Amino acid sequence: EAGVTQFPSHSVIEKGQTVTLRCDPISGHDNLYWYRRVMGKEIKFLLHFVKESKQDESGMPNNRFLAERTGGTYSTLKVQPAELEDSGVYFCASSQGSEVDYGYTFGSGTRLTVV
Amino acid sequence: GNSVTQMEGPVTLSEEAFLTINCTYTATGYPSLFWYVQYPGEGLQLLLKATKADDKGSNKGFEATYRKETTSFHLEKGSVQVSDSAVYFCALRRGSARQLTFGSGTQLTVLP
Repeated sequence: EAGVTQFPSHSVIEKGQTVTLRCDPISGHDNLYWYRRVMGKEIKFLLHFVKESKQDESGMPNNRFLAERTGGTYSTLKVQPAELEDSGVYFCASSQGSEVDYGYTFGSGTRLTVV
Repeated sequence: GNSVTQMEGPVTLSEEAFLTINCTYTATGYPSLFWYVQYPGEGLQLLLKATKADDKGSNKGFEATYRKETTSFHLEKGSVQVSDSAVYFCALRRGSARQLTFGSGTQLTVLP
């Protein structure tokens, strides 16, 4: 079974540019989550999809961030325009049903550097 | 709100040394508690968990006990190996929420 795939693995962009991160969850996983770790600090929740619907987007920092999950399969996270403080590692995770206590399956993350 | 505080790293140990990484939490009610590990170049993996007070989670020689009275979930291993070098994250999930609240992570390096 393929795991959660994220790409690109690294991205370096200039302030003001746009970047789109992609996450492919495990096939059949209805739940998809985005998290990010900024400046080596704690990993923070961004949002949660159930299929194509946003179940909880309380962690999205501002309206420069747009997440989509068309068709309930892969998801994209767009940052437009990027700011320096957006640098960090963006993680995606997926789970099926109520197995949250058994842990999500995380991707290896996208390291975003805004210069 | 919910929060997790874990000891700052980096932590450097010699092989076969004893490991403790402290983790304390703030949350109402009875959260579920987790330790996740991130090996170099990989995603986070669930290492162990505990869902109620006095539960002990264990895996790969690591242990952590859910202590309600001290709101702690310290990670321990009696004899670390070079292959344990990784970043360790303590996390909690409160109630029916699906999101996890993480600590800031502790980088562990084990030297041969």
